[in-house]
Amino acid sequence: ETGVTQSPTHLIKTRGQQVTLRCSSQSGHNTVSWYQQALGQGPQFIFQYYREEENGRGNFPPRFSGLQFPNYSSELNVNALELDDSALYLCASTLGTGNYGYTFGSGTRLTVV
Amino acid sequence: RKEVEQDPGPFNVPEGATVAFNCTYSNSASQSFFWYRQDCRKEPKLLMSVYSSGNEDGRFTAQLNRASQYISLLIRDSKLSDSATYLCVVSHTGTASKLTFGTGTRLQVTL
Repeated sequence: ETGVTQSPTHLIKTRGQQVTLRCSSQSGHNTVSWYQQALGQGPQFIFQYYREEENGRGNFPPRFSGLQFPNYSSELNVNALELDDSALYLCASTLGTGNYGYTFGSGTRLTVV
Repeated sequence: RKEVEQDPGPFNVPEGATVAFNCTYSNSASQSFFWYRQDCRKEPKLLMSVYSSGNEDGRFTAQLNRASQYISLLIRDSKLSDSATYLCVVSHTGTASKLTFGTGTRLQVTL
C-alpha cells in the first residue's frame, strides 16, 4: 500500500508567478484535501476534492484552485503568487468524506521571493 | 478568536517526566477530536483520537470534556523521541469534513 506522495518537495517562485503542486492519494482513497501550513502555525484547510468535485473550501481567495483526476490524484494551483503564500502545502487523502483515516503527504515547501 | 487554541510552548521537560497539554475549541458543533504529532519539517501524523470516555494508548492518555470544550493529552515517562509538536485537531461533518488544527504545542524532552 503506497502512501500519499507530493511533488515537488521544494519550490522557489517569484511574486506574481503561478505554481502547480501535485498529490497522489493513498491507494484506495478517493478524497483529497489540501492544507497550507505557514511557519509556526497549524495547517489551514484550503479545499477538499471528492470524486473529482470540490467538496468544501476554506477561507482562501479564488486564486487558489484545484483539480482531482479520475485516479483520485490532485493538483493545487496558485496564481499571482504573493510573499505570504510561502508555506508548507500538505495534501491529505482519505476514503469518503468522514473525519477519520486521513493520511498526509510529506508536503511541498513553497518559497515566494 | 481562533477555533482551536493551544499554548505554543515550548515545554522543556526531562526524560521520564509527565507532561500535559491542553486545548480549547470554540465550535460546539465539533464532532471528532484528535491529537496529531508533527516532527520538525515533516507531515502531521495521527497520534490518537479523543473520546469523551477518555482513552489511553501506552504512555499517552487523551481526555475530552464537551461541556467545557476542552481536550487534553497526558504523556507519562517522557522519552527523547517524544520531542515534537503536538497538534490539537477538531472536525465536524459539514459540506466537507475538514480538520481544524491548533497552532501546536512544542515539546522538547531533554536528558
